[in-house]
Amino acid sequence: AQSVTQLDSHVSVSEGTPVLLRCNYSSSYSPSLFWYVQHPNKGLQLLLKYTSAATLVKGINGFEAEFKKSETSFHLTKPSAHMSDAAEYFCVVSLHASGGSYIPTFGRGTSLIVHP
Amino acid sequence: ETGVTQTPRHLVMGMTNKKSLKCEQHLGHNAMYWYKQSAKKPLELMFVYSLEERVENNSVPSRFSPECPNSSHLFLHLHTLQPEDSALYLCASSQTGTGSVEQYFGPGTRLTVT
Repeated sequence: AQSVTQLDSHVSVSEGTPVLLRCNYSSSYSPSLFWYVQHPNKGLQLLLKYTSAATLVKGINGFEAEFKKSETSFHLTKPSAHMSDAAEYFCVVSLHASGGSYIPTFGRGTSLIVHP
Repeated sequence: ETGVTQTPRHLVMGMTNKKSLKCEQHLGHNAMYWYKQSAKKPLELMFVYSLEERVENNSVPSRFSPECPNSSHLFLHLHTLQPEDSALYLCASSQTGTGSVEQYFGPGTRLTVT
């Protein structure tokens, strides 16, 4: 079984300050982990992924995440928030299933609010 | 067209209507997914097709019927829906077997059941 917990439903920051979106997971096997972003009225876009290579993963738009097995965490960070970062962010863990597909489990999402 | 497209983008239907949602992926992927996204609820995986075979059905009511005629197209047939089925329906695709398992999402169909 696998699960994902996003610890904050809302995070509010000022433009230019650091961003931290927290994600904890549980998985019986070595997981694949992802962060997606969803802007209003849009589909989800991949920010970054971890698939058992380097534990510090760099993504698009200056975001990065660190896989910490001992803490079962995969927190998303960005040094300096921009107004355009305001969106919903989803942490996802995927487990390999039959037929070669992957069955993802999504967190409930964290809404990032950026103040001018 | 590039990426994953969904039509229609918006749909309003009565509870006795029959309609279909269409998804098309132009990425050469071999797996496709339907999700339901409701306000205040987590994203719900509805169906997974891998190599055109259904591999996952998360106890979705029978009023939702998926169809995957080939690896590029996915349909969701709707009939006798309920108001609580109003939501954003997202389609996604991925390429399995390569170690790269990220999903690419379409923009969604906003469904309102009246």
